[in-house]
Amino acid sequence: DAMVIQNPRYQVTQFGKPVTLSCSQTLNHNVMYWYQQKSSQAPKLLFHYYDKDFNNEADTPDNFQSRRPNTSFCFLDIRSPGLGDAAMYLCATSIRRGTPPYNEQFFGPGTRLTVL
Amino acid sequence: EDKVVQSPLSLVVHEGDTVTLNCSYEVTNFRSLLWYKQEKKAPTFLFMLTSSGIEKKSGRLSSILDKKELFSILNITATQTGDSAVYLCAVGNSGNTPLVFGKGTRLSVIA
Repeated sequence: DAMVIQNPRYQVTQFGKPVTLSCSQTLNHNVMYWYQQKSSQAPKLLFHYYDKDFNNEADTPDNFQSRRPNTSFCFLDIRSPGLGDAAMYLCATSIRRGTPPYNEQFFGPGTRLTVL
Repeated sequence: EDKVVQSPLSLVVHEGDTVTLNCSYEVTNFRSLLWYKQEKKAPTFLFMLTSSGIEKKSGRLSSILDKKELFSILNITATQTGDSAVYLCAVGNSGNTPLVFGKGTRLSVIA
């Protein structure tokens, strides 16, 4: 089945120790998103790729970086995780090819990050 | 600035009750409004609405959009404990910007 896959599902890291979260998709969607979601809050968009074009939200900390080596994969790198970065990280995909509807996003299961 | 406001923020009902969740929005060049259900995992898609007055229905859930008054409602009839979740509303525009999410309504259905 076509889907969005995130690995790992649970990640524990130490304060300041870099961590990489991965997302892959078999939907062949050209847009991929990374969201941060803390408890009882809406998902907060960090950045997204439209094909290879990287779009950073203005309030995304520099500590967060992303890579998209190909259509199927996207990575979230947290260079120096702080306690405040503990959250669920959601990857989502969508199609944008100029033909509506294209806003629907398909989410992966998320990676829950714990920072000790 | 685009924004999405959901109400109520939380709601507790008994099994069998009918609930109505609200979502109002202000967005430039509106394209679509989406409803998602989120349990203890990633959001799952429920509906996408693009036209006013056309009800979308899936089992006990239904939703409708009013583009004149800039809101949508999500109805759940004969609620079950499995409906307990956070319901997120998100709005997309016709440009390149991603969805704008509301804070969600936390629904708790008790037996």
